[in-house]
Amino acid sequence: DVKVTQSSRYLVKRTGEKVFLECVQDMDHENMFWYRQDPGLGLRLIYFSYDVKMKEKGDIPEGYSVSREKKERFSLILESASTNQTSMYLCASSFWTGPKGETQYFGPGTRLLVL
Amino acid sequence: AQTVTQSQPEMSVQEAETVTLSCTYDTSESDYYLFWYKQPPSRQMILVIRQEAYKQQNATENRFSVNFQKAAKSFSLKISDSQLGDAAMYFCACLVTGANSKLTFGKGITLSVRP
Repeated sequence: DVKVTQSSRYLVKRTGEKVFLECVQDMDHENMFWYRQDPGLGLRLIYFSYDVKMKEKGDIPEGYSVSREKKERFSLILESASTNQTSMYLCASSFWTGPKGETQYFGPGTRLLVL
Repeated sequence: AQTVTQSQPEMSVQEAETVTLSCTYDTSESDYYLFWYKQPPSRQMILVIRQEAYKQQNATENRFSVNFQKAAKSFSLKISDSQLGDAAMYFCACLVTGANSKLTFGKGITLSVRP
């Protein structure tokens, strides 16, 4: 089974802090994604990566950055956390091709509260 | 860019009955995938079912099946013999294949199951 793990289930930070959210997948997936989930808005894509050291902006990248130094790990960085970044953050990964190509597998999520 | 619409925010079904969750999408591309994901309360998002747009046959997974109407751009999920464990938020999503393909989600629908 595909396993996608996230470093924290719950996180409380203060405004202005630098926040790191880590995601690790164990299936050698090429693609990795970061979403935020807010009530009534569904999931919105923040950043994604198709390869090591490669990143692409999603729909709402402002206030965020990412890092992918190793294939299995994709980090989301909030350079200076703000209260409007309080949200659930979901990481996902996928293959390019094959019978399950393009299907994204999700981590358990990190619920971030910025005070 | 593609859009996904889930117009009903909530639905309820009696245990052992059948329920259909609606989803419409819009894309100008011909090669795409459609997905239904389930997110139980405080639990991980998991894939329920996936449909390749080029396949005319509707996908089925045990009690879950879809009604894929390509011309109408409709992709509804039917849950037969509903169980208490089916209570969750369900998201419909569309992924257009190709360079920088992105998964676009609907806003989700909360399904409750009455014992």
